[in-house]
Amino acid sequence: DQQVKQNSPSLSVQEGRISILNCDYTNSMFDYFLWYKKYPAEGPTFLISISSIKDKNEDGRFTVFLNKSAKHLSLHIVPSQPGDSAVYFCAARDSGTYKYIFGTGTRLKVLA
Amino acid sequence: NAGVTQTPKFQVLKTGQSMTLQCAQDMNHNSMYWYRQDPGMGLRLIYYSASEGTTDKGEVPNGYNVSRLNKREFSLRLESAAPSQTSVYFCATGQGAIQETQYFGPGTRLLVL
Repeated sequence: DQQVKQNSPSLSVQEGRISILNCDYTNSMFDYFLWYKKYPAEGPTFLISISSIKDKNEDGRFTVFLNKSAKHLSLHIVPSQPGDSAVYFCAARDSGTYKYIFGTGTRLKVLA
Repeated sequence: NAGVTQTPKFQVLKTGQSMTLQCAQDMNHNSMYWYRQDPGMGLRLIYYSASEGTTDKGEVPNGYNVSRLNKREFSLRLESAAPSQTSVYFCATGQGAIQETQYFGPGTRLLVL
């Protein structure tokens, strides 16, 4: 039973346009959410996070939106660049166990 | 600063063999984690250590043991490797804060024949 779901395994976007990556979760005990970016043959690197008390967090070209009632978060990348091509994982922290649950990842390809 | 280092980078084992994956960090972080990544499965937590001297099971601990040797080092041992343990293994560290960011090593690719 996957508690954190990334239903789109892949996404292609033209350079300069917006990339929107989505993540859904089922556990209402999740209180902190993160996005990680992973290049091939490397470990994931932290991108941006959001607490459950907020609905938006922005860092440069990256914005994360959280809709608690829908149990949905999204990552917006504007404008998209070829260097953004990677696999993106969302992760959620369980406030009861303090463990992090990761989604299955979305492979983003930004076309030049 | 090396951050989080993992050895080896790649290993091939035969079924039944044992091995230890090593992880070391120079970030002075309290928490350390072992994850495995499989196609279509994302990252799954095997074991974690909230501080030196403590370890706890994650989602998929069966077939693994861990040792938190000191604050810097956290090792993962496979006593009798099975083909189902073929995976990419990532070590991660965290500050131990309530809302922490985890920092990952480059991974160890393990193939069990």
